[in-house]
Amino acid sequence: DAGVIQSPRHEVTEMGQEVTLRCKPISGHDYLFWYRQTMMRGLELLIYFNNNVPIDDSGMPEDRFSAKMPNASFSTLKIQPSEPRDSAVYFCASSFRPETQYFGPGTRLLVL
Amino acid sequence: RKEVEQDPGPFNVPEGATVAFNCTYSNSASQSFFWYRQDCRKEPKLLMSVYSSGNEDGRFTAQLNRASQYISLLIRDSKLSDSATYLCVARPAGSYQLTFGKGTKLSVIP
Repeated sequence: DAGVIQSPRHEVTEMGQEVTLRCKPISGHDYLFWYRQTMMRGLELLIYFNNNVPIDDSGMPEDRFSAKMPNASFSTLKIQPSEPRDSAVYFCASSFRPETQYFGPGTRLLVL
Repeated sequence: RKEVEQDPGPFNVPEGATVAFNCTYSNSASQSFFWYRQDCRKEPKLLMSVYSSGNEDGRFTAQLNRASQYISLLIRDSKLSDSATYLCVARPAGSYQLTFGKGTKLSVIP
């Protein structure tokens, strides 16, 4: 199994630009999670989906952030417009059981 | 106050030492608990679940005290490969949401 796949692995952009992060969950997993990790705040849940439907987006910091899951094998997290304080590592994770979430390698985002 | 709190460390210990990490959680509705491990610049990975009766996996022992809302992880005979950040995690009943602590960094020194 290839595991959770995320792209790009690194992204450097300028303030105001749109950023799109991509995730392919493990086949057969019906839950998908987006997290953000920073030194100051640790790992925070942004949003999660069940069977492609958003269940809880209360962690999304503001309207500049949006996430979609058009099918069971693909999800995107978009930031528009990006700001320097969005710089972080963004992880996607998938699971079929509550206790075991499998994380992707993450996308390191730097907004200048 | 963060829902899951941990001592950030770092803990610097020699090989072969025993080291213990502690964690407290504030949400009494939390039902399940876990320890995840995160290597430098890598993703978190499940290390072990934590059961009320305490559980052991090789050199690792996890314990839960619901009355005190306290979780611990004990590592015996530390190896260089144990160097990582250990994340304490809580999950409310009936939910797939995990709440992560900020992690405790461990460095095992030769």
